Amino acid sequence: GENVEQHPSTLSVQEGDSAVIKCTYSDSASNYFPWYKQELGKGPQLIIDIRSNVGEKKDQRIAVTLNKTAKHFSLHITETQPEDSAVYFCAATDTGRRALTFGSGTRLQVQP
Amino acid sequence: ETGVTQTPRHLVMGMTNKKSLKCEQHLGHNAMYWYKQSAKKPLELMFVYSLEERVENNSVPSRFSPECPNSSHLFLHLHTLQPEDSALYLCASSQDGTTDTQYFGPGTRLTVL
Repeated sequence: GENVEQHPSTLSVQEGDSAVIKCTYSDSASNYFPWYKQELGKGPQLIIDIRSNVGEKKDQRIAVTLNKTAKHFSLHITETQPEDSAVYFCAATDTGRRALTFGSGTRLQVQP
Repeated sequence: ETGVTQTPRHLVMGMTNKKSLKCEQHLGHNAMYWYKQSAKKPLELMFVYSLEERVENNSVPSRFSPECPNSSHLFLHLHTLQPEDSALYLCASSQDGTTDTQYFGPGTRLTVL
């Protein structure tokens, strides 16, 4: 099955700085890579996703890059704000199980 | 609001109790999921239903019993749980398969005494 590794587990940045979270996956057939943000007391919410036929996708301050050859993808948040503080999860399709496999999460703290 | 609701939001039960968690989605989706979230395994898939048919059971102990009476409702029946089953149980739905966006509910925080 799919194995997704996510780094770092915690990340602290100053407001206005950029934050980068990286994930690697093992299933070369994976074709869908979403990123979720989970705030305290809430379920995870999709913030951006990318499919295997593109290498980069941007949505305002958030971008995701995908390197299929190396089997890794990254989340980039620019001009961070305190409201970006949350736990972020990456995920990849597990083609053998008809399911998503999630990374272990990154707790991002943006210091004002 | 994501369009996925879960009740109750908090549940405390003894090891001999029987309880049920409920999930409802108002998005017209065909697939629904149960996840367990704990400190040890942040997002662990338990069950997948597609068009009310269970398509995935991720080696979950039989003390957890899912039920999907229609594409909008999903239940998780609990009996004879262990303290290590204490966790946040999340429900999600998606239009169809795994390459569709999954929308999560707020979760049920379960404590087993």
